Amino acid sequence: AQTVTQSQPEMSVQEAETVTLSCTYDTSESDYYLFWYKQPPSRQMILVIRQEAYKQQNATENRFSVNFQKAAKSFSLKISDSQLGDAAMYFCAYREYGNKLVFGAGTILRVKS
Amino acid sequence: DVKVTQSSRYLVKRTGEKVFLECVQDMDHENMFWYRQDPGLGLRLIYFSYDVKMKEKGDIPEGYSVSREKKERFSLILESASTNQTSMYLCASSPGTSGTNEQFFGPGTRLTVL
Repeated sequence: AQTVTQSQPEMSVQEAETVTLSCTYDTSESDYYLFWYKQPPSRQMILVIRQEAYKQQNATENRFSVNFQKAAKSFSLKISDSQLGDAAMYFCAYREYGNKLVFGAGTILRVKS
Repeated sequence: DVKVTQSSRYLVKRTGEKVFLECVQDMDHENMFWYRQDPGLGLRLIYFSYDVKMKEKGDIPEGYSVSREKKERFSLILESASTNQTSMYLCASSPGTSGTNEQFFGPGTRLTVL
């Protein structure tokens, strides 16, 4: 079964600075999808960014970008110009067969003002 | 906006009680999912459904069952609640089977079993 590992239980960043959250996964498939989800303290989970494995170009959404290294099975999330509203739990997820998602354990991001 | 709602934000039940958690989505999505979220374990899939009256087991189905009688509603049932089922339960929905389709989540139900 596929697994997703987030090795950083907690991270802190100063407002306006850049932070990178790590994610690695294990799969034998060649075509798949990866996602980063954000769960603010209010608990409603929302999608931050997605990456299709067959696309070599790294996905970008405003201040959020990914570093997708397919050979290394690594999918890190970079948040630039961090804002107080970025404070949340972040989950990396892998889409396997049937649109099911496998999630990592999550990384709590704290933003300091 | 896609909206996924769950019947309760907080719920307290006694051991042995039958518990129903309801989830409703308003975007005509085919797929619906139930997860439980525990610290250090992330989200784990309990059950999912691709269509009305259809269900498939996820990674941790033991002690749970589900019902999907209407497309917009997906219920999670704890037949006899136990203390180890104290957790946050998240419902999600998504359209079709395309890999890029994101899942939309409800606000969650914090269940405590005493």
